[in-house]
Amino acid sequence: DAGITQSPRHKVTETGTPVTLRCHQTENHRYMYWYRQDPGHGLRLIHYSYGVKDTDKGEVSDGYSVSRSKTEDFLLTLESATSSQTSVYFCAISEPQGGQETQYFGPGTRLLVL
Amino acid sequence: SQQGEEDPQALSIQEGENATMNCSYKTSINNLQWYRQNSGRGLVHLILIRSNEREKHSGRLRVTLDTSKKSSSLLITASRAADTASYFCATDGEGGSEKLVFGKGMKLTVNP
Repeated sequence: DAGITQSPRHKVTETGTPVTLRCHQTENHRYMYWYRQDPGHGLRLIHYSYGVKDTDKGEVSDGYSVSRSKTEDFLLTLESATSSQTSVYFCAISEPQGGQETQYFGPGTRLLVL
Repeated sequence: SQQGEEDPQALSIQEGENATMNCSYKTSINNLQWYRQNSGRGLVHLILIRSNEREKHSGRLRVTLDTSKKSSSLLITASRAADTASYFCATDGEGGSEKLVFGKGMKLTVNP
């Protein structure tokens, strides 16, 4: 998994509660990403980061915020969880070189919002 | 929005047979990649093909790219039960975007 860990790996929470997922990398990669994976939709980008304190929105960013205060950690926060945010969340990293970018994924976090 | 669309969405074959998966995309690209996802795991990069390449090989994998048709195919030869997984194509943007857009995926089942 290219030195990428995600925590927690599984979480059950209730509607309306805030939830924070953590992605940690050990190899100093510049780019980090958060995706969600849902049946019938594949992987969709939520937010990404291109450096410490540098983040940008992806395709499905509503209801999510991110922070990156250190190179190695990228946090995804669901400000007020809804049932539609039940999903599997994947973190990924990359180090683009010459326009060729390969992403490396973490093991995923299964989130259930009741 | 999804850039790539894999076809077929599911394929079931016998061990030893070849498996072909197709991907179509909509906009110009710098490169196209294929990823594999085993059940319950993260995606794993398989192969990248640049827009100026037509064919690329890696072990039992063969990827072709036709930019005029905006399509790619992934061929797995002599399939094994361990190839059972979901396969995704992913494309970047013409400007060399650091963001990838993934297709919805295709489920391959290789029966022993």
